[in-house]
Amino acid sequence: GNSVTQMEGPVTLSEEAFLTINCTYTATGYPSLFWYVQYPGEGLQLLLKATKADDKGSNKGFEATYRKETTSFHLEKGSVQVSDSAVYFCALSDLTDRGSTLGRLYFGRGTQLTVWP
Amino acid sequence: KAGVTQTPRYLIKTRGQQVTLSCSPISGHRSVSWYQQTPGQGLQFLFEYFSETQRNKGNFPGRFSGRQFSNSRSEMNVSTLELGDSALYLCASSASGPGGEPRGYFGPGTRLTVT
Repeated sequence: GNSVTQMEGPVTLSEEAFLTINCTYTATGYPSLFWYVQYPGEGLQLLLKATKADDKGSNKGFEATYRKETTSFHLEKGSVQVSDSAVYFCALSDLTDRGSTLGRLYFGRGTQLTVWP
Repeated sequence: KAGVTQTPRYLIKTRGQQVTLSCSPISGHRSVSWYQQTPGQGLQFLFEYFSETQRNKGNFPGRFSGRQFSNSRSEMNVSTLELGDSALYLCASSASGPGGEPRGYFGPGTRLTVT
């Protein structure tokens, strides 16, 4: 079946530190991979995505590369800011028809990131 | 362009009651998905609708049901509420059609508390 495992938090960093949040997945077929971010009291916001192997998703200084050989999609940022403090979720979609809807998303448990000034 | 709207934002119900939550997707989006978020179970898929048809359903009991209207607005209903139904219920809408990339736009959620 499909599942996502991401590193347990919480993660606490100083401003400008390097961030890595590990994410590995198990899937049948060729899933799309996502990172979502959730700020306190809000819903989920799509941070970045990758739809095939070796794709690199990037947004707001965050990056993640779809590694099929290691079934991973680790999130990285070179220099975090206080405003990056949030919960980060790795997810995969089991959708095979890319021209259609979102499909069912399988989420990891989330990683709480706190950045101190 | 307005985002996904969910109403109400907060709700308190008593065990045994039923509740209906509403989701209005982004204009032009025909697909709506629902997720339950709890500290214990994390984010779990409830169901997905496309053009008024349920396309996929998660592993929830029959007390959880949903529907989608012709204007793409969706409602989910939970009957005979249990304490464990207390959660944040998130709705996502997505675009459809050939060539469209899969991308979910989530609403702010409805916080349901069952007492």
